[in-house]
Amino acid sequence: GESVGLHLPTLSVQEGDNSIINCAYSNSASDYFIWYKQESGKGPQFIIDIRSNMDKRQGQRVTVLLNKTVKHLSLQIAATQPGDSAVYFCAENMQGGSYIPTFGRGTSLIVHP
Amino acid sequence: ETGVTQTPRHLVMGMTNKKSLKCEQHLGHNAMYWYKQSAKKPLELMFVYSLEERVENNSVPSRFSPECPNSSHLFLHLHTLQPEDSALYLCASRQGSTLNTEAFFGQGTRLTVV
Repeated sequence: GESVGLHLPTLSVQEGDNSIINCAYSNSASDYFIWYKQESGKGPQFIIDIRSNMDKRQGQRVTVLLNKTVKHLSLQIAATQPGDSAVYFCAENMQGGSYIPTFGRGTSLIVHP
Repeated sequence: ETGVTQTPRHLVMGMTNKKSLKCEQHLGHNAMYWYKQSAKKPLELMFVYSLEERVENNSVPSRFSPECPNSSHLFLHLHTLQPEDSALYLCASRQGSTLNTEAFFGQGTRLTVV
């Protein structure tokens, strides 16, 4: 089965609200996590990453939180904009010859103006 | 522009056709990947090439045949596909020997099998 998965398939928010997208993982030895954004008609693009020796990392309008105790990852987007509408994936680089990016199901974020 | 280019962007093929998908990267990465993305499903890993050698074949049917002639190019040869193979096929590359680096994806090839 998947070691990385998402709780909610769709999240609808109003423009200007904060968004929180959640992700669970099962491999307690996982060391590196990435959030990707996939807009319609495009491939996934890197947003932010975090190592397991951290519990929080901030970027521009985005924050990733890591809770290793419950093996949970979240992506927070501040002041969500229509351009943030996309599918968001969490992923981890799993060991297997080389570090293979392994993805969860994805959450579709819909931002209403 | 991510530095990973896939061609064609769209492909319609019959079940008896043979076609190939192409992926190219000039990012200096040493690992390349094929993923299949179907509607409402996670990205499914198909093949992994590291240093031009196939290191992962994720139980993919033999009608899909990958080829990695050099570290910058990756192909997916398609032969006698089924309608359920219709999907978005994504190529990615990264520095495979390093844990904490992200993958760079192409725009994908939207494949329709008729």
